[in-house]
Amino acid sequence: AQKITQTQPGMFVQEKEAVTLDCTYDTSDPSYGLFWYKQPSSGEMIFLIYQGSYDQQNATEGRYSLNFQKARKSANLVISASQLGDSAMYFCAMREGQRGGADGLTFGKGTHLIIQP
Amino acid sequence: GAGVSQTPSNKVTEKGKYVELRCDPISGHTALYWYRQSLGQGPEFLIYFQGTGAADDSGLPNDRFFAVRPEGSVSTLKIQRTERGDSAMYLCASSRPGGELFFGEGSRLTVL
Repeated sequence: AQKITQTQPGMFVQEKEAVTLDCTYDTSDPSYGLFWYKQPSSGEMIFLIYQGSYDQQNATEGRYSLNFQKARKSANLVISASQLGDSAMYFCAMREGQRGGADGLTFGKGTHLIIQP
Repeated sequence: GAGVSQTPSNKVTEKGKYVELRCDPISGHTALYWYRQSLGQGPEFLIYFQGTGAADDSGLPNDRFFAVRPEGSVSTLKIQRTERGDSAMYLCASSRPGGELFFGEGSRLTVL
C-alpha cells in the first residue's frame, strides 16, 4: 500500500484564490511527521511546512497552513491568496517514528499546481 | 556554502559507463540523504548517512549503486555500468538529526 497518496495530479487555480492540495497517509506508527515541499521548475525541493502527529494545533507558516485530520489520516495543504509564483510541483511527505529518529522521508507522487492570472 | 550543493548539475553518459555524483551538505548537518526522482514522480529514498556511516541503504536499487561519505561531510553517489533506466534527477538533502531536510538542486543524469 502507498504510504502517501496525492490524488490530484494537476490543478489550475485563478490567482488570488485559495488552494487546497490533498494528501492522505498510511502508517501504523503512532509517532510520525508530515511535511510539504514545493518543487519549482528549477528542481530544488523547498520545505514549506511541518506537522507532528502529536501536535494539537494545525501548523501555519505565512500563507501556508496544514489541515491535519488525524482520524482520517489526512494532511491537506492550504495556500491562501495564491500568487503566480506558487506555480510548481507540491509534494506531501511523511517521516515515521519520533522526530529525532533517523528515517528519511517517503514522498507522494505530487500535485502540479498552475496559477493562472 | 549556505545551501546543499550538488555537482554536476547535468550529466550525460553512455550506457555501461561509470558515474559519480557529488553532494556537499550544509555545514553542521550530520544527516545526509540521497533520493532519485524520475519524471512525473516523487523522490524515492536511496540511502541515508548519519556521520560517516550508511544508517539505511535499503533504497539502493541494486549493487551497481554505492555511496560513500568518508569524512562525514561530502558524499559521493557512484553508479557502475549505467543503464538507460538510471536516467533521473538525483537529489541530495541534509539535516540536523530529526530536523527538516534541506535539498540541493539535484544532478540530472541522462544515460544514452
